[in-house]
Order: sequence, then structure tokens, then C-alpha cells
Amino acid sequence: DIQLTQSPAFLSASVGDRVTITCRASQGLRSYFAWYQQKPGRAPNLLIYATSTLQSGVPSRFSGSGSGTEFTLTISSLQPEDFATYYCQQLNSYPFTWTFGQGTKVEIK
Amino acid sequence: QVQLVESGGGVVQPGRSLRLSCAASGFTLTTYGMHWVRQAPGKGLEWVAVIWHDGSNKYYADSVKGRFTVSRDVSKNTLYLQLNSLRAEDTAVYYCARHRVRGGIITPFDYWGQGTLVTVSS
Repeated sequence: DIQLTQSPAFLSASVGDRVTITCRASQGLRSYFAWYQQKPGRAPNLLIYATSTLQSGVPSRFSGSGSGTEFTLTISSLQPEDFATYYCQQLNSYPFTWTFGQGTKVEIK
Repeated sequence: QVQLVESGGGVVQPGRSLRLSCAASGFTLTTYGMHWVRQAPGKGLEWVAVIWHDGSNKYYADSVKGRFTVSRDVSKNTLYLQLNSLRAEDTAVYYCARHRVRGGIITPFDYWGQGTLVTVSS
């Protein structure tokens, strides 16, 4: 199975900051790689798929990139509603399984 | 609009069974792969199981293989997860979610339910 190592686990930032979260995968599958946002008590919400494609309705301050087995989620200017936990996700083909990163909690500084 | 509504959670003793349901509306299960994902209290997300859009394939996480079974009833447009031989470490909120296949490529989970809590405790 694919292993995902997400960092940092916690991130303290201020409104307006540029924030970067990284996920290192044991294997890269750029056509699938995804990022989700989860707020307390809520289901996860898809932000980015196929490494860099923004899901419909997601603000353009969110962006994704990837090179080899390293994938990055960037928030260009952190907004109050962005304080949440973020997860990366990868697909392992044959047999099909899905793996989530450990999560990054973005907190208010 | 698309909606996924889970039900069936509750408190159950170790070793017992439970069946979770996920009622889908706004789309048909025959066009989407359907998943169960769980989240233990204060922990991260763990993928549990998937059933293919045509029911042809089912895959499970190693942690639940042989104990959990995913199924669906297309006439009711409802997904199920049968949980057997439950353990304390199965305590979690269980979410259902869907994926689509576009041009032969599996896409991530674009809709999720609100979750149902399963507590395994004596």
C-alpha cells in the first residue's frame, strides 16, 4: 500500500499568511492525488484533485502542486474560514485501496 | 441535489454486530463507486471499504477485512456496511462517500454524508 507522510501536523498562522502543507507519498499518482478540508463536527470537503485541479466552488486562494512523490497544498492568503484540518489522499491501484495522510491542523496564531 | 444520509450507528458490545445504512438521493448508486470512511474520536480519516458502481468489485482495508462487508440495494438506492466481531478500536464516526470514473480515471470523493457514530463498549 501507498504510505503518505503529511507535514506539519500542526500549523499556527495569522489571517493573510501564506500557508503550505506537504505530503510525501511512497508512490506518486498525479492523476488522482487529492486534498480535503475538514472542520470540527463536519464531513471532509474536497478541495483539490488530480494534484492541482480545483474542485468546483473552492476559492482560488487554494492551489495544489506536485513533483515526483511530493505534493503540496498552498493557501495564498489565509482567511478566517480556512482554520480547519487538512488531509491529503492517494489511491493505490490493484488492489484498490485509498490512503489518507495524518492531517494538518491549521490554528489561529 | 446530491445527498447522503447515514444511519444505524449506536452503542454496541465488543464481539457484536451492527449494520450501517447510507441512503443516497440526487444520483443513482449504479453510476458511482461508494465508500465507507471512518474517523475515531480526535483522530484522522481511515478508508474502510468500497463497492464499485456496478457491484462487480469490493475492496477493504486490512483492519476490517473478514469482519466488515459492504453491499448495496439499488432498488432502494442505499449503501450498507455490515460490521461483525466489533472491537473497541472500531469506535468511530462512519461516513459514506462517492467517487466517479471519468475517462477511465477514478476521481476523489466529491460528496460525503454527515456520518454516524459507532461506539463499541461493554
